[in-house]
Amino acid sequence: EAGVVQSPRYKIIEKKQPVAFWCNPISGHNTLYWYRQNLGQGPELLIRYENEEAVDDSQLPKDRFSAERLKGVDSTLKIQPAELGDSAVYLCASTAGPTYNEQFFGPGTRLTVL
Amino acid sequence: GQSLEQPSEVTAVEGAIVQINCTYQTSGFYGLSWYQQHDGGAPTFLSYNALDGLEETGRFSSFLSRSDSYGYLLLQELQMKDSASYFCAVRFGASGAGSYQLTFGKGTKLSVIP
Repeated sequence: EAGVVQSPRYKIIEKKQPVAFWCNPISGHNTLYWYRQNLGQGPELLIRYENEEAVDDSQLPKDRFSAERLKGVDSTLKIQPAELGDSAVYLCASTAGPTYNEQFFGPGTRLTVL
Repeated sequence: GQSLEQPSEVTAVEGAIVQINCTYQTSGFYGLSWYQQHDGGAPTFLSYNALDGLEETGRFSSFLSRSDSYGYLLLQELQMKDSASYFCAVRFGASGAGSYQLTFGKGTKLSVIP
């Protein structure tokens, strides 16, 4: 069974440029999460989807961040414009449903903003 | 809000036993999870405790005391491959098991030495 797929694995951009990250969760997993992990810190939730609905986006900086999961499968997280402080690893995770304990994480996208 | 405290670094000898503690403050607590993350890798699920007591899975055990808002991860027969960061994460929700979040601690970097 394929795991959570993310692309790209690495991205280097200049500040004020846009950037997008893509995630394909494990087949059949209805719940999808986007996290941001700064160096030496734990993952911090940005947004959670149940199928195509964003059920928790309270920690998503909506002035520059947006996300979508149009068909309830894969998802895209976008930053526009990027700032220096956005440099981090962006992790996607999925579970079969909101009551499942184990979250399956993808390898992440390491973003560097210059 | 939620807060978790865990040691930032621990060093232990190969073959020994190490305990990583985690204390938390949260409302709507459901349970405590532990994740392992190797450098540059994805977090992987180790355990979840919803009830007080010890859960054992091979060389790893996890303990929870809800009354003390405290848990720990116990790693036995340490191997070099156990060198990684270990995160405790509280599962909490405002209402019902269908709307929960995970808040991660900052992680404990475990170094296993020969």
